[in-house]
Amino acid sequence: QKEVEQDPGPLSVPEGAIVSLNCTYSNSAFQYFMWYRQYSRKGPELLMYTYSSGNKEDGRFTAQVDKSSKYISLFIRDSQPSDSATYLCAMSGTGETSGSRLTFGEGTQLTVNP
Amino acid sequence: DADVTQTPRNRITKTGKRIMLECSQTKGHDRMYWYRQDPGLGLQLIYYSFDVKDINKGEISDGYSVSRQAQAKFSLSLESAIPNQTALYFCATSDSRRATDTQYFGPGTRLTVL
Repeated sequence: QKEVEQDPGPLSVPEGAIVSLNCTYSNSAFQYFMWYRQYSRKGPELLMYTYSSGNKEDGRFTAQVDKSSKYISLFIRDSQPSDSATYLCAMSGTGETSGSRLTFGEGTQLTVNP
Repeated sequence: DADVTQTPRNRITKTGKRIMLECSQTKGHDRMYWYRQDPGLGLQLIYYSFDVKDINKGEISDGYSVSRQAQAKFSLSLESAIPNQTALYFCATSDSRRATDTQYFGPGTRLTVL
């Protein structure tokens, strides 16, 4: 069983829709939770970063972490065609070594149609 | 991200050949990583280096070796390439002085082993 599970999609939505992307995980030691966005033929880039449980908002993006359920979400409001990309969740534990070792989900491919 | 560069960007080779992928960074980060990305598997860590004298195996190091020639350079070698090493390879860097230790990715190298 994978430590991090993410529905690969593909997910296709109309422009303006609210998008919900999710990951579940099994390792209770994970404390840091990230969302990366990867455009086609590009490297992943950090989109959102959250420590422990709670919500974090940045413009149209909201990241939620529910450690009790081992479940994290990324919401995109008023989605735009430029949001079309693969979104990867990533997480790590605490400590000198584990804090730098990210475990990734396989990514969800999102297409926002004009 | 031009701060992390990878060469070559694309490479086609034959089974049994020795291949070297190179990564350079101008971000001044001390930590560097090599990942491979495969459909359905997401990003998997091959090797990571916390400084020039510290190199560690990741999840899938078999068949690979690395060299940290300087703080800014980290090379990945396939001693005898095989077809199941066909994948997208990413180099990443992070700064241990930052609390979040965010990883920054290069543009990737697409490797095909025939």
